[in-house]
Amino acid sequence: NAGVTQTPKFQVLKTGQSMTLQCAQDMNHNSMYWYRQDPGMGLRLIYYSASEGTTDKGEVPNGYNVSRLNKREFSLRLESAAPSQTSVYFCASRRSGAGELFFGEGSRLTVL
Amino acid sequence: QKEVEQNSGPLSVPEGAIASLNCTYSDRGSQSFFWYRQYSGKSPELIMSIYSNGDKEDGRFTAQLNKASQYVSLLIRDSQPSDSATYLCALSISNFGNEKLTFGTGTRLTIIP
Repeated sequence: NAGVTQTPKFQVLKTGQSMTLQCAQDMNHNSMYWYRQDPGMGLRLIYYSASEGTTDKGEVPNGYNVSRLNKREFSLRLESAAPSQTSVYFCASRRSGAGELFFGEGSRLTVL
Repeated sequence: QKEVEQNSGPLSVPEGAIASLNCTYSDRGSQSFFWYRQYSGKSPELIMSIYSNGDKEDGRFTAQLNKASQYVSLLIRDSQPSDSATYLCALSISNFGNEKLTFGTGTRLTIIP
């Protein structure tokens, strides 16, 4: 059982380039999340999707777009990468309502 | 005021002692509370969840919730070097029916052999 799978695990971009982080879960969860983690800042919510077909902004959505492609997949896109977006990105999923978040292994992004 | 506040540490505790981690929150509508452990370079993993006032014990871990005072704590008894990690407090806040999970900045715990 793979759980939550993120790709790529590492990526280096130049300022202004675009890229998409992919996330897929095989636990039949309704809710999916994208967080970024920076030193001393904890996990900050970028976007989340409570169910297929819905997305909502989190704490730090600027510079990102998301797509809930189907129940399994939730992608995060950087249209024009900036050095401030250098971070570790985590995708997570959970059943609707209260419950445990299951995390992917993280994607380390560096923007030069 | 941040929604979830934690002392960033580092917190150093001798092996075998009790480690006490604290978290305060501002939204009285918060209903679900979680403690996650994160080793360096790894993703967070759930240690405890607690939903009602009082204590909840699981092995060496005890979570304590006091909604009136808006704090949640985690006690680790008989601390082991393997407990050295960053501990993240998190809570669920309902946003027009959608549940989002908000994290604190984490407390770095070091167990000294």
